[in-house]
Amino acid sequence: DAGITQSPRHKVTETGTPVTLRCHQTENHRYMYWYRQDPGHGLRLIHYSYGVKDTDKGEVSDGYSVSRSKTEDFLLTLESATSSQTSVYFCAIRDSSGANVLTFGAGSRLTVL
Amino acid sequence: ILNVEQSPQSLHVQEGDSTNFTCSFPSSNFYALHWYRWETAKSPEALFVMTLNGDEKKKGRISATLNTKEGYSYLYIKGSQPEDSATYLCASPGTGTASKLTFGTGTRLQVTL
Repeated sequence: DAGITQSPRHKVTETGTPVTLRCHQTENHRYMYWYRQDPGHGLRLIHYSYGVKDTDKGEVSDGYSVSRSKTEDFLLTLESATSSQTSVYFCAIRDSSGANVLTFGAGSRLTVL
Repeated sequence: ILNVEQSPQSLHVQEGDSTNFTCSFPSSNFYALHWYRWETAKSPEALFVMTLNGDEKKKGRISATLNTKEGYSYLYIKGSQPEDSATYLCASPGTGTASKLTFGTGTRLQVTL
């Protein structure tokens, strides 16, 4: 597998609690992404990063924040989790070869009760 | 939000059948069109990235064509096998930038013996 890992892989939490998902890469890629996957919606972009401390919003960014303090780590935070944020979250990195192909992590399944 | 649509939503074929699905996207400011294959319980994996009108890509029994003027791409699978069962996603960055990749909702293919 490409050097991208997500943690935790599974988490159950309660409404109102903060949650942080971590994406770690060893490829030194500039671009990193957080998507969520929900039935009927496919993959929807939450936030992405184009460098250290450089981030931008995707189409479903409300309720989420991100941080990238170093190239290898991209953190997704739910400040106060809600049941609507129950989903599978995928991190992706983008190669720098010009093909712009995304390589995805294994996913993090989050359940908010 | 870029409108990327796929049809059909799902498809059930028998082993040996050939099949195809469609991805439509806005033709203005076209940048690239990606195809990904997503097996159950795994992560999406890139199949093709297509950038030029009339492009045709092939990988084994799977091929794809691109028409940027009318805004569609076809994915073909020749002689479907059970291991082809997966969800096939297309995605496009649109707006002349490679930064944000918008995915369609996918075509779920099931191949039975």
